[in-house]
Amino acid sequence: DIQMTQSPSSVSASIGDRVTITCRASQGISSWLAWYQQKPGKAPKLLIYAASSLHSGVPSRFSGSGSGTDFTLTINSLQPEDFATYYCQRADSFPFTFGPGTKVDFK
Amino acid sequence: QVQLQQSGPGLVKPSQTLSLTCAISGDSVSTNNAAWNWIRQSPSRGLEWLGRTYYRSKWYNDYAVSVKSRITINPDTSKNQFSLQLNSVTPEDTAVYYCARDRRATFDNWGQGTLVTVSS
Repeated sequence: DIQMTQSPSSVSASIGDRVTITCRASQGISSWLAWYQQKPGKAPKLLIYAASSLHSGVPSRFSGSGSGTDFTLTINSLQPEDFATYYCQRADSFPFTFGPGTKVDFK
Repeated sequence: QVQLQQSGPGLVKPSQTLSLTCAISGDSVSTNNAAWNWIRQSPSRGLEWLGRTYYRSKWYNDYAVSVKSRITINPDTSKNQFSLQLNSVTPEDTAVYYCARDRRATFDNWGQGTLVTVSS
């Protein structure tokens, strides 16, 4: 099975910072990648699908890029509500594996 | 908008069967445009996709290899819901279980989550 990794595992940032999270697939998955945000005690929420398409209602400060094996989630001008854990997920075929997550916390 | 409401017990004894239900509003379990999934989350396993059911002129299921021998996901068209049954549970099956809708393998709607503890 294709494995998903993320880096860093955690990042400390301040309001207004730009944050970049990387996701890597062990084999190429074209642009079949999604990003999710999860806050404690809540279900994950879809942010980005097809590597770079913004899900409805998601603020434009979130953006995604990449294809093949290397992908990036960028948060421009970090807001207080963005402190959370972020997961990538392969969407090319099942099993739909998730990355281990990147926690964004307050510096 | 689509809403998924989970129900089921939060405590299951070892070797017994875990059963959860996900009621759908705002969409149909029989739609040709989506699939209906179960995903779990634990500190040791992270987010783990378990399986799904979907309708494309007939019903199909896909299951993760890790649980394939123990899992059943069934649609209930009369109640517009779907269910999860996981047999022969052990403490390693303790997790928060989520139901979720996927369109093109991207999970755009999630249930609220159910913490299921496997303990005697």
